[in-house]
Amino acid sequence: SQTIHQWPATLVQPVGSPLSLECTVEGTSNPNLYWYRQAAGRGLQLLFYSVGIGQISSEVPQNLSASRPQDRQFILSSKKLLLSDSGFYLCAWSLRDRQDPPLHFGNGTRLTVT
Amino acid sequence: SQQGEEDPQALSIQEGENATMNCSYKTSINNLQWYRQNSGRGLVHLILIRSNEREKHSGRLRVTLDTSKKSSSLLITASRAADTASYFCATAYSGGSNYKLTFGKGTLLTVNP
Repeated sequence: SQTIHQWPATLVQPVGSPLSLECTVEGTSNPNLYWYRQAAGRGLQLLFYSVGIGQISSEVPQNLSASRPQDRQFILSSKKLLLSDSGFYLCAWSLRDRQDPPLHFGNGTRLTVT
Repeated sequence: SQQGEEDPQALSIQEGENATMNCSYKTSINNLQWYRQNSGRGLVHLILIRSNEREKHSGRLRVTLDTSKKSSSLLITASRAADTASYFCATAYSGGSNYKLTFGKGTLLTVNP
């Protein structure tokens, strides 16, 4: 069966520090991968999605970047964190070769920038 | 924006009652999905309804879709305390490799024992 791992679960970082959040998927190949951010009491905002290694699409201009160095690995990064980067970050995957696939989410990373 | 909007923002009911949540969206879609999120956790897919479908059932869940009104509803029958969670609708408007979901802000459902 497929599983998705996301870490760390919580993170407290000072303003100006770098960020690296990692997400890996097991049990499937060639998935679509997504990074979402959820602000408190709000919906999910799609940040990045990827249809293959090295293929990243950015949905909103921001202080973050994403990379996909391997088929089932998705990394969210920042060189210098801002206070506004605080939030709940969720990684998700979906099957590519299927009509209307659901998204499968990790358990998220709670990031607090101080 | 193609983001869905859930209504109400919060709903509190007693165990055994039915819970109805609504979702409205703005543009044509391929499908609409409902997800559940327990506090501090990731989202879990509940049910999907395609644009050519009008109603779908899964256990205690019933979803309807009215594409002419660009709206959907999620009904949870005979609610339980364990149903307490936030519920999100999500719309998909691209197919193939460009597949993305746009989520609403969610309805927080509280089921009191």
